[in-house]
Amino acid sequence: AQKITQTQPGMFVQEKEAVTLDCTYDTSDPSYGLFWYKQPSSGEMIFLIYQGSYDQQNATEGRYSLNFQKARKSANLVISASQLGDSAMYFCAMRVGGSYIPTFGRGTSLIVHP
Amino acid sequence: GAGVSQSPSNKVTEKGKDVELRCDPISGHTALYWYRQSLGQGLEFLIYFQGNSAPDKSGLPSDRFSAERTGGSVSTLTIQRTQQEDSAVYLCASSPGQALFQPQHFGDGTRLSIL
Repeated sequence: AQKITQTQPGMFVQEKEAVTLDCTYDTSDPSYGLFWYKQPSSGEMIFLIYQGSYDQQNATEGRYSLNFQKARKSANLVISASQLGDSAMYFCAMRVGGSYIPTFGRGTSLIVHP
Repeated sequence: GAGVSQSPSNKVTEKGKDVELRCDPISGHTALYWYRQSLGQGLEFLIYFQGNSAPDKSGLPSDRFSAERTGGSVSTLTIQRTQQEDSAVYLCASSPGQALFQPQHFGDGTRLSIL
């Protein structure tokens, strides 16, 4: 069975600082994909970044980067230069090669202070 | 717009009534998912459609829940004889296909409140 763990229910960061949101996963399938989504208070889930299990380099998308440590089974999201608009819930998700159903973590609430 | 569209955005109904929630996926997306999100919780998978294949209904919590997808496009999630524990936000997502790297595109959700 696949499992995603997000241990930080809430995080606070000062505007313009960097923040790391933790995500660990568990699967025995060698082929998998890891996703991060942002959910603002408006409710819509927004895709941020993807990392494949065979990707050699960490994924980056603008101010978002994924710190992928395969041996430790972690896929932490790093947001650089936080902005007030980054305040939201952040969900880590995983899909394994043999399944079409992603598994989501419980989410981390991020609040960016001015 | 070109995104996933869900309606209604809010629904308030009395316990015991039936409700229908609609999802219009992105044009051309063959995969469609329904999720339930209770207050402050993560996403609970309900059902998955892929093209014309039989849906994966493994997440439906009871036989009061059903869903269909007509013509490989619009989907309707039906909850019969609603209970108060059905109160939640119901999210629909679509994806271009089955490839592992393809993310899901979500609608704004339907907030369902059972009185």
